[in-house]
Formats: sequence, structure tokens, C-alpha cells
Amino acid sequence: AQKVTQAQTEISVVEKEDVTLDCVYETRDTTYYLFWYKQPPSGELVFLIRRNSFDEQNEISGRYSWNFQKSTSSFNFTITASQVVDSAVYFCALNLGGNEKLTFGTGTRLTIIP
Amino acid sequence: SQTIHQWPATLVQPVGSPLSLECTVEGTSNPNLYWYRQAAGRGLQLLFYSVGIGQISSEVPQNLSASRPQDRQFILSSKKLLLSDSGFYLCAWSKTEAFFGQGTRLTVV
Repeated sequence: AQKVTQAQTEISVVEKEDVTLDCVYETRDTTYYLFWYKQPPSGELVFLIRRNSFDEQNEISGRYSWNFQKSTSSFNFTITASQVVDSAVYFCALNLGGNEKLTFGTGTRLTIIP
Repeated sequence: SQTIHQWPATLVQPVGSPLSLECTVEGTSNPNLYWYRQAAGRGLQLLFYSVGIGQISSEVPQNLSASRPQDRQFILSSKKLLLSDSGFYLCAWSKTEAFFGQGTRLTVV
């Protein structure tokens, strides 16, 4: 069985600070996919990134960056120069392939203080 | 492009009443479809998923059921709602990553 742990329940930072959201996963499979989703107050989950287990290269997209480390089973998400619009609940998730169901972490509520 | 529609956005229902939430996907064929529930302040719990018409897998025993009468239509139902059925229900489709509908906030009173 797969498991995703997001130990940080809530984080608050002042605007323009950098913030890292932690994600630790468990799976016995060698092929798997990791995801991050953003849930703004409206409730809809917005897809941010998908990364497969064979690609440990870190990714940067604007102010967002992701650090995938298989050695520690972690897939952390960093927001640089945070903005108020980044306030949301962020979910890390895992599945075993494109047609497989997602296992979600419990989410981290991020509040950016203006 | 693909879109997913879920309705209604909010719903207040009395205990014991029936429920029907509908989700439709456009712009893709034979997607995997999912129903998730999010209790207040909690994570996402997978309720049902479907890999094809008429094929439904249930993740947790509960008062709810799901049906997939057409390739891109997924329905969540209950014959008699319980107070514990209150929550935020999200429909999703996937080929690789999953894309979610806007959710239905259900309050059972």
C-alpha cells in the first residue's frame, strides 16, 4: 500500500518570504508518480506538477520549485518570494501509473501574511 | 481541451433524503473517473473510481453508491443521507495526472 505524509498541518509566513512544504511518501513499487495540487479557498484542486520515479531532476517553474530525493523518499515543494495569492491548501499525492488512483497526503494549509 | 463539470456547487439536504451528484467530462474518451470526499479541515478520501462504463470500485464501505452510465458521466448517489455524509465532494478524471471538478459542498441537516 502507498502512503503520503505531509507533516506540516499549517504554515504561516510573511509575504515575500520563501517557504518549503514537505512531502514524504512510502511505496514498495519502483515505478510511481508524484504530484502536487493546490486547493485555493474556492475548493477546486489545481494540478501543479507530476514527476515520475525515474526522474530525480529538480524542477523550477517561476517561483515554484520541487526537490525530489529518492534516498529520503521526499518530494518537497518550495515557493520563493511568496505572495498572498499563494495562500491555499497544498496536497502531495502518489500513484503507480497513469491509470491508477491517487493517494493523497492530508494537506498543508499555507497562509501568506501581507 | 478537456473540461470537467460537476454540479450542483452547493447542496443542503435533510437527513434521510436521497442524493444525486453528477459529473461529466468533455474532450477525452475512456478516462478514469473518481469521486473523492473531503471532510472539513481534512484530507481527501477516495470513495469510488471507475475505469470504464459500468465498472465501479468502492474504496470504503458507506452509505453512498456510484454509477457510470456513460463513458464520460459519473454519478454519486445515496438513497438516504446521514449527517456524516456532509462534506466537500470532488469528481476527477485522469489519464496521467488527475483533473478535478469544482466540487459540491453538501450539508446534511
